[in-house]
Amino acid sequence: QSALTQPPSASGSSGQSVTISCTGTSSDVGGYNYVSWFQQHPGKAPKLMIYEVSKRPSGVPDRFSGSKSGNTASLTVSGLQAEDEADYYCSSYAGNNPPVVFGGGTKVTVL
Amino acid sequence: QVQLVQSGAEVKKPGASVKVSCKASGYTFSDYYIHWVRQAPGQGLEWMGWINTNSGGGTKYAQKFQGRVTVTRERSISTAYMELTGLRSDDTAVYYCARDVNMIQFDSWGQGTLVTVSS
Repeated sequence: QSALTQPPSASGSSGQSVTISCTGTSSDVGGYNYVSWFQQHPGKAPKLMIYEVSKRPSGVPDRFSGSKSGNTASLTVSGLQAEDEADYYCSSYAGNNPPVVFGGGTKVTVL
Repeated sequence: QVQLVQSGAEVKKPGASVKVSCKASGYTFSDYYIHWVRQAPGQGLEWMGWINTNSGGGTKYAQKFQGRVTVTRERSISTAYMELTGLRSDDTAVYYCARDVNMIQFDSWGQGTLVTVSS
């Protein structure tokens, strides 16, 4: 059982938006502004899409955005494209033991 | 460009140990922590531990792996290592190293190393 809770699946039509939630506690998501989101295509290594809740690394399209409210973080993918179909994982800093926790992952399907 | 290149796939018997390497290039190795994350077949990501690659070499491990995992580094060759002992079938997974720019900002990942534990 993962420390952070994500829905197992989400879907949206091409061009539409999808939002993935990531629920933790005040000891992780709610306690720090260190939430990251990773995209993983089958057989590939994860790729950083969002860090520090809402910041995008260079090269990540602005269709990807992150936010947080209380103990729940969210990733929104706007203008869905076929290449956005992948697994998405959230991660949060959690202090000391353990310092890093992941969500169980959400499979995004583009209809 | 930043690259992390991991060692190749391994097949081990239950009870054995495995040591996976992660060679960094394209940046100053000792400037950033290296984390290890694993992914069992069809499962999610699981954090295992980190190493401070500077002169201190401090480490932190997930409680689940305490006593079985050791992360080390050799600064002269910009390489981090993850050794897991007492292998069980449920340790079968792809093991990744990742560079941490700042507080789980894992901006570069190795290609992954498949470790298969089977009798």
